[in-house]
Amino acid sequence: DAMVIQNPRYQVTQFGKPVTLSCSQTLNHNVMYWYQQKSSQAPKLLFHYYDKDFNNEADTPDNFQSRRPNTSFCFLDIRSPGLGDAAMYLCATSGHRGFQETQYFGPGTRLLVL
Amino acid sequence: GNSVTQMEGPVTLSEEAFLTINCTYTATGYPSLFWYVQYPGEGLQLLLKATKADDKGSNKGFEATYRKETTSFHLEKGSVQVSDSAVYFCALSSNTGFQKLVFGTGTRLLVSP
Repeated sequence: DAMVIQNPRYQVTQFGKPVTLSCSQTLNHNVMYWYQQKSSQAPKLLFHYYDKDFNNEADTPDNFQSRRPNTSFCFLDIRSPGLGDAAMYLCATSGHRGFQETQYFGPGTRLLVL
Repeated sequence: GNSVTQMEGPVTLSEEAFLTINCTYTATGYPSLFWYVQYPGEGLQLLLKATKADDKGSNKGFEATYRKETTSFHLEKGSVQVSDSAVYFCALSSNTGFQKLVFGTGTRLLVSP
C-alpha cells in the first residue's frame, strides 16, 4: 500500500547528541512536511519541502534542520537536542501545496532526550 | 493569526450515543477546514473536510458543516462505536500561500460498550 513511513517509531538520544529522524513515502508527492507535537498539544509545523525547495517556519529553532535527497525521503536533523525537544515528530506529504490539499501523515517518531 | 479551539477532552460516551465535538476557528479570509483522527499508535488520518462556507463534509458516519457566521466546524456522529475511540483534531488551512495546517489541541473520545 502507498504510505508514509517513519523510522524509527521511538528514538532515545542524549542531551546534546545529534539525532536524525527519517521519513519516506511511496505516494510520489511533491510536498513533505515535518511537524512537532508535544504532549497534549497541537502539531506544529516546523518546515516543509516543495520538491527541492525548502521552506522554514519563522519560529523554528536553528537547531532543527532538514534534508530531502530525493522525492521519496526526507530527514529531520536535530543538531543538539535539549530536554525541551522531547516530542512526537510527524511527517506528512501532499501532492501539491494548495490550501485544499489533503495531507497524509506517517505514524510519527517519539523522541526521548535523556 | 490563525487559530483553532477545540473542546477539552476526554469525551466519554457509551456505544450508540450521539457525539458532538466542538471546534471554532479564527482566520483571515476563507480557510479550508479539516477533521483529522488519530487512532492509538497510528498517524493522523483525514476524516473529512470542507472548503467553503455551508459545505458539509462527511465520512464514516461523521459530519461537519462549515459555518462562517459562527466560525465553527463541529464534528457530529449519530451513533458512536467502540472503534471510534481516538483523538480527533480540528484544523484549518488558510487560502493564502501554501497549505499550512493549524491544528487544535485535539479531543480524545472514549467509547465504552
